[in-house]
Amino acid sequence: GAVVSQHPSWVICKSGTSVKIECRSLDFQATTMFWYRQFPKQSLMLMATSNEGSKATYEQGVEKDKFLINHASLTLSTLTVTSAHPEDSSFYICSARGRAGSTGELFFGEGSRLTVL
Amino acid sequence: QKEVEQNSGPLSVPEGAIASLNCTYSDRGSQSFFWYRQYSGKSPELIMFIYSNGDKEDGRFTAQLNKASQYVSLLIRDSQPSDSATYLCAVSHRGSQGNLIFGKGTKLSVKP
Repeated sequence: GAVVSQHPSWVICKSGTSVKIECRSLDFQATTMFWYRQFPKQSLMLMATSNEGSKATYEQGVEKDKFLINHASLTLSTLTVTSAHPEDSSFYICSARGRAGSTGELFFGEGSRLTVL
Repeated sequence: QKEVEQNSGPLSVPEGAIASLNCTYSDRGSQSFFWYRQYSGKSPELIMFIYSNGDKEDGRFTAQLNKASQYVSLLIRDSQPSDSATYLCAVSHRGSQGNLIFGKGTKLSVKP
């Protein structure tokens, strides 16, 4: 299946700093990528849809100025958590739908666990 | 509000038994249905997808879809301890950009 790589896997930062997470599609071009957040023992919650070459579409309740998304190329989307606070500590996961085939499944990155002290 | 419902479990089965995981969805316009497995601390990995009513088998896994009842299930035959994980049901619908709506997942525990 298609491969999506996410970096970093773990990040610990101080409150008030910004953290950037990268999501790359390694063997296919992804015009659309999705960013999810998952709190412990909770389901995946879609934060935003990242579209190559245009602005991201944010879900209700997600602050676009706090979670900056850039999809500058067909293989890279980045999520920047600005002025992070302890409540932003979570597991952030990106995903993409492979262009090959039309099965519609999403392929997930490995996830990035953010801990804000 | 489009919803996907799953019993959170935990569902405990003995090794070698059949594990049955169930999922219901609210949007009749849903078209594609997916089962993902998520180990603790890891991201989800796709197990199976199904589009048509009926059964779809892949190795020890069988997905079952009943659109009239808005119900999809996953059967795991000959369950192994390595199958212990949280299983996420996901649904997509026409008009979406490819986004999937996820259930909260069912935690499966296979006892040796």
